[in-house]
Amino acid sequence: GNSVTQMEGPVTLSEEAFLTINCTYTATGYPSLFWYVQYPGEGLQLLLKATKADDKGSNKGFEATYRKETTSFHLEKGSVQVSDSAVYFCALSDPLGSQGNLIFGKGTKLSVKP
Amino acid sequence: GAVVSQHPSWVICKSGTSVKIECRSLDFQATTMFWYRQFPKQSLMLMATSNEGSKATYEQGVEKDKFLINHASLTLSTLTVTSAHPEDSSFYICSASPTQGYGYTFGSGTRLTVV
Repeated sequence: GNSVTQMEGPVTLSEEAFLTINCTYTATGYPSLFWYVQYPGEGLQLLLKATKADDKGSNKGFEATYRKETTSFHLEKGSVQVSDSAVYFCALSDPLGSQGNLIFGKGTKLSVKP
Repeated sequence: GAVVSQHPSWVICKSGTSVKIECRSLDFQATTMFWYRQFPKQSLMLMATSNEGSKATYEQGVEKDKFLINHASLTLSTLTVTSAHPEDSSFYICSASPTQGYGYTFGSGTRLTVV
């Protein structure tokens, strides 16, 4: 079945460090891929998405490229800030599901220290 | 645009009572809404798919008589946790999408604590 695997956290970085959170997926067909962010005490927010192979999603300095050959959608940011501290979820939308519901990874907690 | 409002944001109830959680799409119509549950340190797990005007579709292992879902209009879905028990304490989140492929907008979530 379809699944998402992302690196386990927590990840602790100093401000301005480079961030990579790995995400790989298993899916039949051609899913859309998403990164969501959950700040403390809040619900999920869509961070970025990509709908087809080689697409690059970007937002707020974060980027992720849909790599079909490696079935990956790694999240990167060149210089993290304290305000980026949150839990990040990789997700895919089941392309064969009639309702298109999302399948999530377990989330990676990022803590950025000043 | 594409705002989903969820209410209440937190609730404490006694064992055996029922709690209703509302999920509203504020600026779009949603024929389908999703209800998720988030366990501590774990990811969201889909509980059910709420369909406007018809019965909800529940995921395997989710008790439909315990988690009642009603999607009476194109902008409102409700989740009622009936006869709540402490093990039902969790974070419940709804989501909806205005159009397929847009991505999903989530409510802010409801923290339920059953004492």
